[in-house]
Amino acid sequence: QVQLVESGGGVVQPGRSLRLSCAASGFTFSSYGMHWVRQAPGKGLEWVAVIWDDGSEKYYADSVKGRFTISRDSSKNTLYLQMHSLRAEDTAMYYCARDLGDGDSSSFDPWGQGTLVTVSS
Amino acid sequence: DIQMTQSPSSLSASVGDRVTITCRASQSISSSLNWYQQKPGKAPKFLIYAASRLQSGVPSRFSGSGSGTDFTLTISSLQPEDFAAYYCQQSYSTPPTFGQGTKVEIK
Repeated sequence: QVQLVESGGGVVQPGRSLRLSCAASGFTFSSYGMHWVRQAPGKGLEWVAVIWDDGSEKYYADSVKGRFTISRDSSKNTLYLQMHSLRAEDTAMYYCARDLGDGDSSSFDPWGQGTLVTVSS
Repeated sequence: DIQMTQSPSSLSASVGDRVTITCRASQSISSSLNWYQQKPGKAPKFLIYAASRLQSGVPSRFSGSGSGTDFTLTISSLQPEDFAAYYCQQSYSTPPTFGQGTKVEIK
């Protein structure tokens, strides 16, 4: 079955960096776009970034542009989110989610279980 | 960015009730509207795409309708497992944006 498992979250000081990973299994990873979506504690959902199936296109939310980088390694079936210059407002559960297609559908199914990032001194 | 507004923010209902949640887009998004269900401590689950198409495995008591700027999610007969938060999301343009959510609670 399709499975997405995030890792790499934790407590980090403001201004520091963190890299999240999302291990994919049960489907042909290189055939799907992949997204990161986050949810601050007690709040709603916020889309963060997308990378297309072949890695040719990447798009970011304005709130993370220039600080976060999405990437993928199809040889490892793994999605990444490199986060720099972290701020308190980046505190959230970070979910990876598969696109319905190559990355352009902007529809998310399924989702991983999430990894929690807490930015605090 | 396209703003998505859901109403109500929360509602109380009983098992067996018919429940309707509305979602309004700040501009026309054709039928590019998805619905997700999220239970406490869990990841969101994809329910409906293209405004009215049920994702495989989703019970038929869920239905969606609308186009342009106004959309609805209806649960025809609320079941105990349906108590959750529901989010609409537009897939019309980047960045994809979500409504603020509607929490369906037990009356």
